[in-house]
Amino acid sequence: AQKVTQAQTEISVVEKEDVTLDCVYETRDTTYYLFWYKQPPSGELVFLIRRNSFDEQNEISGRYSWNFQKSTSSFNFTITASQVVDSAVYFCALRHYNQGGKLIFGQGTELSVKP
Amino acid sequence: GAVVSQHPSRVICKSGTSVKIECRSLDFQATTMFWYRQFPKQSLMLMATSNEGSKATYEQGVEKDKFLINHASLTLSTLTVTSAHPEDSSFYICSASLAGGRTDTQYFGPGTRLTVL
Repeated sequence: AQKVTQAQTEISVVEKEDVTLDCVYETRDTTYYLFWYKQPPSGELVFLIRRNSFDEQNEISGRYSWNFQKSTSSFNFTITASQVVDSAVYFCALRHYNQGGKLIFGQGTELSVKP
Repeated sequence: GAVVSQHPSRVICKSGTSVKIECRSLDFQATTMFWYRQFPKQSLMLMATSNEGSKATYEQGVEKDKFLINHASLTLSTLTVTSAHPEDSSFYICSASLAGGRTDTQYFGPGTRLTVL
């Protein structure tokens, strides 16, 4: 079975703090994709990153970075020097290569960045 | 690029009426579109996968006669909630895969908030 777990339901930080959002996944498949999406209060999901199972390189994009570790089935997301605009719900998602694009979402982590 | 729109963004209707929600890929062709439902403070749950020119594939527990999906073109899919009831009130979000379903990223629409009185 495929499953995504985001154990942190809510996180609150003060602006400029670094924050890491955890994501642990379960799958028996060897080929799969992992995603992070941001959902601000407006509701629209914003795509942040896609990582395939064969690429374990960490990625950095501005203040965002992702740590993919197959050994622990984790795909954690770190925001450096957080800003108020980062306040949102963040979803981690998993997709198997051959299941027609179906996304399995975690429960989401609500991040609140206070000034 | 990769913009997905939804219309309407918000709808309030009376119990028993039907509501149609449109999902459009504005700057790309999407052979596959997905419909999700999200209750407050909860995650997204896939309702169905919509393939252009063929019948939609519904997830277990989703009533196909209640949630009618039509994917008539490569840029448009519609979800019709038939005989809506208050328990159907939710946030409905569609997504579209750029150039086809297997490996590509899903881009999401802004969502439609349905309130059934």
